[in-house]
Amino acid sequence: KNQVEQSPQSLIILEGKNCTLQCNYTVSPFSNLRWYKQDTGRGPVSLTIMTFSENTKSNGRYTATLDADTKQSSLHITASQLSDSASYICVVSLASGGSYIPTFGRGTSLIVHP
Amino acid sequence: GAGVSQSPSNKVTEKGKDVELRCDPISGHTALYWYRQSLGQGLEFLIYFQGNSAPDKSGLPSDRFSAERTGGSVSTLTIQRTQQEDSAVYLCASSSRNPEDRGTGELFFGEGSRLTVL
Repeated sequence: KNQVEQSPQSLIILEGKNCTLQCNYTVSPFSNLRWYKQDTGRGPVSLTIMTFSENTKSNGRYTATLDADTKQSSLHITASQLSDSASYICVVSLASGGSYIPTFGRGTSLIVHP
Repeated sequence: GAGVSQSPSNKVTEKGKDVELRCDPISGHTALYWYRQSLGQGLEFLIYFQGNSAPDKSGLPSDRFSAERTGGSVSTLTIQRTQQEDSAVYLCASSSRNPEDRGTGELFFGEGSRLTVL
């Protein structure tokens, strides 16, 4: 069964600190993995996309990693800001020939305190 | 339009009433998804439309839920005889999919329709 598991479920950090969110998946055949950010009351927005051959990708203070062998991804946030408070969702898509319905994790709720 | 548009943004209804939720996808996007998100929970897949193909309805929780997509663009999600457990935010997303691409393109979400069933 295709699954995406995220940890921790929730996280509270102080402004300016770094944090790392984890995503493990069993989706196959793998095509790509995206991290989405969902602000409260808004729809999710894509932060990064990782394909099979990519190990690291950065988007400002966000850095995503992918280990396709162990089927793990992480999202590292550097120098957190209050605006980083949101839910971060890991989404894995199947390769052509598989379902075009991506598999969503349940998300990690991040709260950044001043 | 510039983004995915959903209406209404908020809907309060009485148990047993029917509701319709509308989604206007990004122009040119052939794929359209409906998701449901209960308070504090993850996104639950409901239904997927791709071009003129038959929709994938595997996520619809009961036969009270249905959706259609007219002219390959606007979609309507209908919930008949609403129940209190239907209260949630209903999110619509659209995506472009080049048949030569491997996998699903980026999903662009609307702001959602918050449904409250009293």
